[in-house]
Amino acid sequence: QVQVVESGGGLVKPGGSLRLSCGASGFTFSDFYMSWIRQAPGKGLEWVSYISYSSSYTNYADSVRGRFTISRDNAKNSLYLQMSSLRADDTAVYYCARVSGSGSSSLDYWGQGTLVTVSS
Amino acid sequence: DIQMTQSPSSLSASVGDRVTITCRASHSINNYLNWYQQKPGNAPKLLIYAASSLQGGVPSKFSGSVSGTDFTLTISSLQPEDFATYYCQQTYSTPWTFGQGTKVEIK
Repeated sequence: QVQVVESGGGLVKPGGSLRLSCGASGFTFSDFYMSWIRQAPGKGLEWVSYISYSSSYTNYADSVRGRFTISRDNAKNSLYLQMSSLRADDTAVYYCARVSGSGSSSLDYWGQGTLVTVSS
Repeated sequence: DIQMTQSPSSLSASVGDRVTITCRASHSINNYLNWYQQKPGNAPKLLIYAASSLQGGVPSKFSGSVSGTDFTLTISSLQPEDFATYYCQQTYSTPWTFGQGTKVEIK
């Protein structure tokens, strides 16, 4: 069955860096775009970034552009999010999700999320 | 950026009620509209994609419709497991944006 599992979250100081990982299984990873979405405590969902099949295309929310970098390793069935210059308002649960190949680029499988806390 | 205005922000309903949630896009999004359900402590789950297509494994009591830039999620007969927060999302253009969510609570 399709599974995506995030890891790498934790407590980091403002201005610090963190790298999130997402391992995928149960599908041909290289056939799908992948995305990161985040949710601040008690708040709604915010799309962060997506990456194309072979990493040719990436896109970012304005709130993270220039600070976050999405990447993938198709040989390892893994997605990454390198986060730098972290701020308190980056505190959130970060979800990895598969972008469906059908219809409207929906996010059809999500991981359980990994919590990133930015605090001194 | 395309703004997604979701209403209501919360509602109280009884088991068996028909519930309707609306999402209005600030620009045309060509039916690139998805609906998600999120229960506390869990990841969101895809219910409806492309405005009206039911995701595999999702009960048929959930349905989606569209009229222009107004999108609607309907739950035909609310059950205890349906109490959750629902989000719409447009994927027509980046940045992909979500509605602010509708929390469906027990009356």
